[in-house]
Amino acid sequence: EDQVTQSPEALRLQEGESSSLNCSYTVSGLRGLFWYRQDPGKGPEFLFTLYSAGEEKEKERLKATLTKKESFLHITAPKPEDSATYLCAVRTYSGGYQKVTFGIGTKLQVIP
Amino acid sequence: DAGVTQSPTHLIKTRGQQVTLRCSPKSGHDTVSWYQQALGQGPQFIFQYYEEEERQRGNFPDRFSGHQFPNYSSELNVNALLLGDSALYLCASSRDRGDEQFFGPGTRLTVL
Repeated sequence: EDQVTQSPEALRLQEGESSSLNCSYTVSGLRGLFWYRQDPGKGPEFLFTLYSAGEEKEKERLKATLTKKESFLHITAPKPEDSATYLCAVRTYSGGYQKVTFGIGTKLQVIP
Repeated sequence: DAGVTQSPTHLIKTRGQQVTLRCSPKSGHDTVSWYQQALGQGPQFIFQYYEEEERQRGNFPDRFSGHQFPNYSSELNVNALLLGDSALYLCASSRDRGDEQFFGPGTRLTVL
């Protein structure tokens, strides 16, 4: 069974204090790892897709990296508007069809 | 492009009732997936529809059923509602085997 574990569950940062969120996974045949941002009461907003170990993607203050067992979401000099829950998900194929499994998320709070 | 839309936004039902949730996918997308997200949890995959057929199903009972129409829109039906069905129900659309799933804002279902 595919498993996705995110840590920490909650993170409180001062504005400008850089940090990283972790997503570790145990799957059979990774076909993509996704990062989403979710604001309270809203649907997840797509951030990145990573496919292979060593791959990196950046968007504004966010940078996602991937190894064979985990992914990191690095947040550089965060601002209060970066406060949200960040979800990690993995895609695998089973019986010819894709399956997406989400982690529980990391709730990030950035204090001014 | 309106993106993924869902209706209604909020819904209150009582135990034993039945509910239908609706989703219109992003323009150009032909695959619709439904997720259940309990408070403080990551989204849990319910099922996926493609070409008007259920293609993949998560660990949800038969009380959860769905439909996809020729215009790719979709419905999620839940029968015999339980208190534990209270959650945010998310619809996500993608191109078949596409890289990214785009989520709608969700329907908040409360079962009393």
